This record gives sequence, C-alpha cells and structure tokens, in this order.
Amino acid sequence: GDSVTQMEGPVTLSEEAFLTINCTYTATGYPSLFWYVQYPGEGLQLLLKATKADDKGSNKGFEATYRKETTSFHLEKGSVQVSDSAVYFCALSEGGSSNTGKLIFGQGTTLQVKP
Amino acid sequence: NAGVTQTPKFQVLKTGQSMTLQCAQDMNHEYMSWYRQDPGMGLRLIHYSVGAGITDQGEVPNGYNVSRSTTEDFPLRLLSAAPSQTSVYFCATRDRAYGYTFGSGTRLTVV
Repeated sequence: GDSVTQMEGPVTLSEEAFLTINCTYTATGYPSLFWYVQYPGEGLQLLLKATKADDKGSNKGFEATYRKETTSFHLEKGSVQVSDSAVYFCALSEGGSSNTGKLIFGQGTTLQVKP
Repeated sequence: NAGVTQTPKFQVLKTGQSMTLQCAQDMNHEYMSWYRQDPGMGLRLIHYSVGAGITDQGEVPNGYNVSRSTTEDFPLRLLSAAPSQTSVYFCATRDRAYGYTFGSGTRLTVV
C-alpha cells in the first residue's frame, strides 16, 4: 500500500540556519502531497501542498517541490526561527480514481531551533 | 466559524470502561475521519466516512466503532478501553478541494 517515509529526528538547528527535512513516498497513481506542522499542545495545521509533479508548494518561507522521478517532497527553509520549533509531518492523499480521501502520514520529524 | 470541535480535550479511563469521543463540524464537509497519534508513528487512520450513513475502516480499526447519522457529527466509540488505546485522537474533515481541517485533539489515557 501507499506509504510515506520521513527522516528521523529530532533535528536541532541554530536560528537562521538552513533547514531540510527529507520525505519520500510510495504510491500507486498520482497522489497529492502535503506538509503539516504541529506546534506543542495543538492540532495539525496545513503548511503547504502540491497536487501534481513539479508543483512547488510554499508558505511562511517553507518550500517543497513534488518530484515524481525521485518520489520525494523534501521540506526546506532558508533561515529558521525559534518559532519554527514544532513537529513536521509529510503526508499523501491518494490520487485519481483510487482517491478515497485518506491521508497517509509519515512518522513526523521534531525540529528544535535554538537562539 | 468553529471548524472542527472535539470533546473532551482530556480523558482518563480505566481498563474495560467505554466512552465516546465527540467530533462536530460546521463546514458541511462530507468527508470525516479519525486518526490516532502515537510517538514515532505519525498519525494512523482509524475510521472514515464519505457521507452520512457511510463509514469504512482505516488502518487501525480494531477496538473502535463509528457511526455517521448526520453530516455534522462523527463520534468514535471505545467499547472496552485497553491500555494500548492510550493515545492522542484527532478528527479531521476534508472539503471538495481536498483541504483537510483537523480538530485540536483528545488526549486519552487508559490505566
């Protein structure tokens, strides 16, 4: 079945450092891809998404590009802030005629940014 | 506009007790779902519904029941709680553009 694999954390960075969180997926068909963020004690918020190959999702300085050839959707940010400390989840939603609306999540990556 | 409302926010149960986690939405979304979140495992789908009267199992349905009598509500029932069901539970809806909205979660502890 479909699956999502994220790099293991925690990831600890200094403020203004460059961030990459790797995400790869396995899917039949053409899934939509998402990054969600969870701040401490809160629910999940959509950070960005991409619905087809070569699409780039972006929001709040974060970017991710849907790479079908490498089945990847890596999250990047050029300069992280302390307020970016959170858990980040990569997810996919089945595409095409097989789309049941189910979201399949990776295991999550904890990011800690130090001043 | 409340979005997705989950109650209660916290709950402690004894093994064998039953309870219902409530989820209500005011966005008229047809699709609703329940996830559990466990450390190192991300979120796993328990049950989902594509509309009133229609439900289906997700990845980890055992020990949980659902029903969908209205568009607005999608309760999750634990008939006989077990310590393995200690987790954080999230309800989520999806709109026609495949945008998902999550509730703030219910933290359940089974002792």
